[in-house]
Amino acid sequence: DQQVKQNSPSLSVQEGRISILNCDYTNSMFDYFLWYKKYPAEGPTFLISISSIKDKNEDGRFTVFLNKSAKHLSLHIVPSQPGDSAVYFCAAKGGANNLFFGTGTRLTVIP
Amino acid sequence: NAGVTQTPKFRVLKTGQSMTLLCAQDMNHEYMYWYRQDPGMGLRLIHYSVGEGTTAKGEVPDGYNVSRLKKQNFLLGLESAAPSQTSVYFCASRGIYLQTQYFGPGTRLLVL
Repeated sequence: DQQVKQNSPSLSVQEGRISILNCDYTNSMFDYFLWYKKYPAEGPTFLISISSIKDKNEDGRFTVFLNKSAKHLSLHIVPSQPGDSAVYFCAAKGGANNLFFGTGTRLTVIP
Repeated sequence: NAGVTQTPKFRVLKTGQSMTLLCAQDMNHEYMYWYRQDPGMGLRLIHYSVGEGTTAKGEVPDGYNVSRLKKQNFLLGLESAAPSQTSVYFCASRGIYLQTQYFGPGTRLLVL
């Protein structure tokens, strides 16, 4: 059973506009959430994270929002750039070691 | 500082053959992980290690074995490969006080 879900397999956005990627989770024990970015034929690279005690974390063009009551987090990228085109994975930390990953959303930023 | 490296990058096996995937990290991280990624699915944890000489099962451990004889290396073995093990395998590591896992570039394995 998928504990972390990314229901949108793909998203297309015009360059300069905002990209919003969504992620839902089912386990209320998750205490830390991460977003990874993945280019083809490469490993996932860490993008941004948020602890469950916060509701927002910002790093440059990237902001992650966490709504614990809805078990929902989102990644905002603004302004979107063509180099942001990649697959984005949401991950949640359960217990001491495990990361549970969503199935990914492929973002395409159109120049 | 190479981060996390994986060997080989690509391999084709016949059913029943064995092989070992090597992961190496130069960040002095305590924790290391092996994941597999399949189409339409997120990364799933196979095995992990919390330190030299220790290993533990993850979400999908069947058909795999691991060893962590040195802190910087984490080996994933397939004793008798099956077509269901065709996948992309990623290794990751993290420091003991960090939450972020850092990934290698992946090994693409095809089992015929």
